[in-house]
Amino acid sequence: EAGVAQSPRYKIIEKRQSVAFWCNPISGHATLYWYQQILGQGPKLLIQFQNNGVVDDSQLPKDRFSAERLKGVDSTLKIQPAKLEDSAVYLCASSPGVYYGYTFGSGTRLTVV
Amino acid sequence: SQQGEEDPQALSIQEGENATMNCSYKTSINNLQWYRQNSGRGLVHLILIRSNEREKHSGRLRVTLDTSKKSSSLLITASRAADTASYFCATANFGNEKLTFGTGTRLTIIP
Repeated sequence: EAGVAQSPRYKIIEKRQSVAFWCNPISGHATLYWYQQILGQGPKLLIQFQNNGVVDDSQLPKDRFSAERLKGVDSTLKIQPAKLEDSAVYLCASSPGVYYGYTFGSGTRLTVV
Repeated sequence: SQQGEEDPQALSIQEGENATMNCSYKTSINNLQWYRQNSGRGLVHLILIRSNEREKHSGRLRVTLDTSKKSSSLLITASRAADTASYFCATANFGNEKLTFGTGTRLTIIP
């Protein structure tokens, strides 16, 4: 089966600019996650979708981050405006259910200068 | 917030030796999972152990879970150079599917 697709792979922007990331999960996976991974740390959950509804966005900085999942399939994560501390790898993952592991995409490495 | 803490933070062993890394967590869990991450790549799911299980095997991997101590261990037997990576434990609480990841163990296999 095809994996989780993410784009772009790399992005460099200046602070205060905006950026968007795209994710296409595995077909049939109802649950989709966005994680932020800062260098040297474990991934931190930003937002969890079940179909096209938000289940958990408690750690999403809502003043600058937004996410949507259209028609319960693809998802986009946006940052506007970006700060230096947003430099990280943004990982998308999907899962068919609670007793299954996640399948992660390759991530988008964001550098804010 | 990070739920789990892996120990050690870094581990270097000779190829062929066994590698053991540990994970401690704080709250009751539904299941615990281990993932591998090669440098600059996404995470790969290795194994899942449910809260009512004590040990699980998959190929050269052996995972144990002690819910009374809120801890788990991952053993990789007969290590290979390709096992060089960061290893993360992640816990899933009851009632939702989200995973909370630990801080990771960086494993280096010396050929």
